Amino acid sequence: DAGVIQSPRHEVTEMGQEVTLRCKPISGHNSLFWYRQTMMRGLELLIYFNNNVPIDDSGMPEDRFSAKMPNASFSTLKIQPSEPRDSAVYFCASSLRLAISHNEQFFGPGTRLTVL
Amino acid sequence: GENVEQHPSTLSVQEGDSAVIKCTYSDSASNYFPWYKQELGKGPQLIIDIRSNVGEKKDQRIAVTLNKTAKHFSLHITETQPEDSAVYFCAASRPTSGSRLTFGEGTQLTVNP
Repeated sequence: DAGVIQSPRHEVTEMGQEVTLRCKPISGHNSLFWYRQTMMRGLELLIYFNNNVPIDDSGMPEDRFSAKMPNASFSTLKIQPSEPRDSAVYFCASSLRLAISHNEQFFGPGTRLTVL
Repeated sequence: GENVEQHPSTLSVQEGDSAVIKCTYSDSASNYFPWYKQELGKGPQLIIDIRSNVGEKKDQRIAVTLNKTAKHFSLHITETQPEDSAVYFCAASRPTSGSRLTFGEGTQLTVNP
């Protein structure tokens, strides 16, 4: 398996533009997580899905952020409109969730977003 | 909610020495404690984890200890090598969180040859 795939790897955009980040989880995994990493706030969980259904979006910073998972092999994180303070590395991770046991989360390589 | 604190934020050791990173957590219901290693330009990768029903776990040069009473857990790396240089994150999760992890702030470990 190729692991978690994220695109693009780097994104530079101007304030006010829409940004869409994409993620393909590991085949067979049923949980998907979106994280944001900054120097100031570390690794923050934004939202996670289980079986394509959003379970907890309490980490989404504001209404400008939205995430979807239309099927088991694809998810998007959209920022509209983008602001300079959204500049960060965004990670997608997936895991195989069995009952209430804890399973390893596999992280993608991340998307480095710069908003000018 | 859960709060995880990690110390130190930076750690520099000589090759061959041991390195210890410590974390504390606030939620007594947490029962899963993984450690992730993040190399430059990459996503975090799980290196070892421990569940609350054990006090210690070892995998070659890496070991983790857990003290549930004090609510702290530690990562021990022995015989450090330059390739151990990375950022290390601890995390905690409770049974009903749906695998949601709360991460510590991270420790930048530098192993000097």
